Amino acid sequence: GQSLEQPSEVTAVEGAIVQINCTYQTSGFYGLSWYQQHDGGAPTFLSYNALDGLEETGRFSSFLSRSDSYGYLLLQELQMKDSASYFCAARGATNKLIFGTGTLLAVQP
Amino acid sequence: NAGVMQNPRHLVRRRGQEARLRCSPMKGHSHVYWYRQLPEEGLKFMVYLQKENIIDESGMPKERFSAEFPKEGPSILRIQQVVRGDSAAYFCASSSGLAGEGMGNEQFFGPGTRLTVL
Repeated sequence: GQSLEQPSEVTAVEGAIVQINCTYQTSGFYGLSWYQQHDGGAPTFLSYNALDGLEETGRFSSFLSRSDSYGYLLLQELQMKDSASYFCAARGATNKLIFGTGTLLAVQP
Repeated sequence: NAGVMQNPRHLVRRRGQEARLRCSPMKGHSHVYWYRQLPEEGLKFMVYLQKENIIDESGMPKERFSAEFPKEGPSILRIQQVVRGDSAAYFCASSSGLAGEGMGNEQFFGPGTRLTVL
């Protein structure tokens, strides 16, 4: 089967750095995407890794290791507005996304 | 540039009725994906369509569910004879469908339709 595992909840304080891990078991793996979702609203694309290594986009960075079937999302200089659910998603051959279980990030003052 | 549009945003149906969910992709996008999200869970892939073609329906339930993306007009997800277990948020996403592994295949999501079956 196909599955992506993430921690269910993470708590951090404003200004801190937090890492959200994702391990996956999928077939036909093309790359790993990350999405942010506020209060059940539209998921918003954050980052995509097709190759091993680190991709940086402003305060957000994402990492992929294909040999370890592992990736993570790194959020720096946390702000209250970063409180949301974060999902990793494996991109398959037909570009469909297989989503992880989701991580609820709570940023505290 | 308008984003992905979905309507209705909220839909209430009684058991046994039909539900029709509509999705208009972003301008210039010809690839549409439907996902379902139950409370406190991740999104589950249902179906991937291009204009007039179903490309991948591996996530669609075998009965009662169907999807189309006609040459003209929005994509439609149809659920016949709804049951309480169909209550969920249904999200549509679109992409430009560029081949390969690059950013061109990024999916943009709509606001979703929240279906409640009484």
